[in-house]
Amino acid sequence: DAGVTQSPTHLIKTRGQQVTLRCSPKSGHDTVSWYQQALGQGPQFIFQYYEEEERQRGNFPDRFSGHQFPNYSSELNVNALLLGDSALYLCASSPRGAWNTEAFFGQGTRLTVV
Amino acid sequence: SQQGEEDPQALSIQEGENATMNCSYKTSINNLQWYRQNSGRGLVHLILIRSNEREKHSGRLRVTLDTSKKSSSLLITASRAADTASYFCATDARGSTLGRLYFGRGTQLTVWP
Repeated sequence: DAGVTQSPTHLIKTRGQQVTLRCSPKSGHDTVSWYQQALGQGPQFIFQYYEEEERQRGNFPDRFSGHQFPNYSSELNVNALLLGDSALYLCASSPRGAWNTEAFFGQGTRLTVV
Repeated sequence: SQQGEEDPQALSIQEGENATMNCSYKTSINNLQWYRQNSGRGLVHLILIRSNEREKHSGRLRVTLDTSKKSSSLLITASRAADTASYFCATDARGSTLGRLYFGRGTQLTVWP
């Protein structure tokens, strides 16, 4: 059973560019959440998707947007990249409504903005 | 902020010793989860403890939860060099969107052979 898979694993972008990160949830999971983890910090919640809609959003600007596809996979898009967007981006999946079960995380995408 | 905070920030021990990490949080929770992260890669789920539970065990791991003090502890017994990693607590806050987790900054554990 494949767990949560993310692509790419590493990415280098220039300030002002746009980036798209991808996530496939664990089999049987329909809810995807995205987190940003800056160096030396804990992950911070960006937003969550299920039924192809954004359900809740953390304290991130509109430059961060997402999408969920009918097969439950998801994309995270960041526009007008800033140096401060450099971080590890983590995707987590869980079954919707299962409020007392663990979230499964992917290996993350390391984004470096230069 | 509902963020959990781990203590200590860094812990260095010898193989075979026990490691204890603590987590404090601010709001009522549905559950509290502990994760491990190796070298800035993905998070590996270790254990989940529900708000109505006080203690859980999983192999060499023991987690306690004190909701009156809004705190939790993770004990790793007979530590090994392979346990070297960052450990995070994450709370699933009551009343928040299902599955939204609030993380602390983590404890960096180093186990020396």
